[in-house]
Amino acid sequence: EIVMTHSPATLPVSPGERATLSCRASQRINTNLAWYQQKPGQAPRLLIYGASTRATGVPARFSGSGSGTEFTLTISSLQSEDFAVYYCQQYYSWPRTFGHGTKVEVK
Amino acid sequence: EVQLLESGGGLIQPGGSLRLSCAGSGFTFNTYALGWVRQAPGKGLEWVSSISRNADTHYADSVKGRFTISRDNSKSTLSLQMDSLRVEDTAVYFCLAYPQYYYDNWGQGTLVTVSS
Repeated sequence: EIVMTHSPATLPVSPGERATLSCRASQRINTNLAWYQQKPGQAPRLLIYGASTRATGVPARFSGSGSGTEFTLTISSLQSEDFAVYYCQQYYSWPRTFGHGTKVEVK
Repeated sequence: EVQLLESGGGLIQPGGSLRLSCAGSGFTFNTYALGWVRQAPGKGLEWVSSISRNADTHYADSVKGRFTISRDNSKSTLSLQMDSLRVEDTAVYFCLAYPQYYYDNWGQGTLVTVSS
């Protein structure tokens, strides 16, 4: 099983600041990685797939990068609606696995 | 617009069985892979099971041998039969529909509580 590890677990950020979230895979997964955003009481929302492709309707302030084992989600200028938990997930092999998430909170 | 509506959640005793259903609309059902992801209270996301367009199935080790995923394309319905339920199966179960490999369509979830 591929283990996905987020860092940090919690990220305090002020509105308007840049946020950088990291995700590491325990094995190489090429670019078979997705990022999801989840707000309390809601279903997750796909943000990024293929490590760097924004999903339909996702604002340009969200960007993804990386390949192999190291991945990054960047939010260029945090808006109030971006405070949420972010999960990475690999779809390179079975079983599919998620990281435990990074909570982006108000600083 | 893709819509997924789960049903069948509820309170069940340990060792019991429950069947979740997910009704899909707004897309060509038989061209999408389908699946389930769950989230225990206050915890992260856990992939549970997937079924391809060709009905190939995959399961997480934690549910293998206890859960069975199936699809009925004629009724645009996804099901998850859950047997031998355990306390640790308590979670919100989200239905998924996706044309590729990543999960771009989610239902709102149904809560399953396993407790005596």
